[in-house]
Amino acid sequence: SQQGEEDPQALSIQEGENATMNCSYKTSINNLQWYRQNSGRGLVHLILIRSNEREKHSGRLRVTLDTSKKSSSLLITASRAADTASYFCATDATGGNTDKLIFGTGTRLQVFP
Amino acid sequence: DVKVTQSSRYLVKRTGEKVFLECVQDMDHENMFWYRQDPGLGLRLIYFSYDVKMKEKGDIPEGYSVSREKKERFSLILESASTNQTSMYLCASSPTGITGANVLTFGAGSRLTVL
Repeated sequence: SQQGEEDPQALSIQEGENATMNCSYKTSINNLQWYRQNSGRGLVHLILIRSNEREKHSGRLRVTLDTSKKSSSLLITASRAADTASYFCATDATGGNTDKLIFGTGTRLQVFP
Repeated sequence: DVKVTQSSRYLVKRTGEKVFLECVQDMDHENMFWYRQDPGLGLRLIYFSYDVKMKEKGDIPEGYSVSREKKERFSLILESASTNQTSMYLCASSPTGITGANVLTFGAGSRLTVL
């Protein structure tokens, strides 16, 4: 079952521009995470935002969470060619330390130099 | 540097073969997971384990089994490989912490082709 759906599926921008990706989910969550995947590799955790938080920053990353709309956005500012990757949101639908994460289908970001 | 190591990056197997995908983590994590990733479908959870000798079915366990005899090792087994099991397989682990957040560390992935 897909909990998160990312939008857009693909995004192409020039270096220096900002990239915004959106994630919608279906059920109540404890937290939402964003992961990055370089082509043909495993995923790397980027940032986590809890359900009682509305915004979080980490370097050039800014994540927002709107629990009333069941949506989140990931903003990458001043993008670089090295940001080219797929980005996934992941949610824990039922809460707890060992609950499984459910991933969305991802947004493929291409940053042109 | 903490790591999740998947034993094979690329495998080619024939239909009906038994396939073992091995995953080892050196972070003393309690939880381990196997996902498969297919274009347009994202990551789907096959099985997970929150303790040695414990296993839980994920969303798509059919055709797969798992083994966790030691804390650091979680194996995915395809008893009789089929062509629809051609996919990228991702292993991940996470600690059981007090923060209530399940942050995963992934391996590099194993791309399996079944002919």
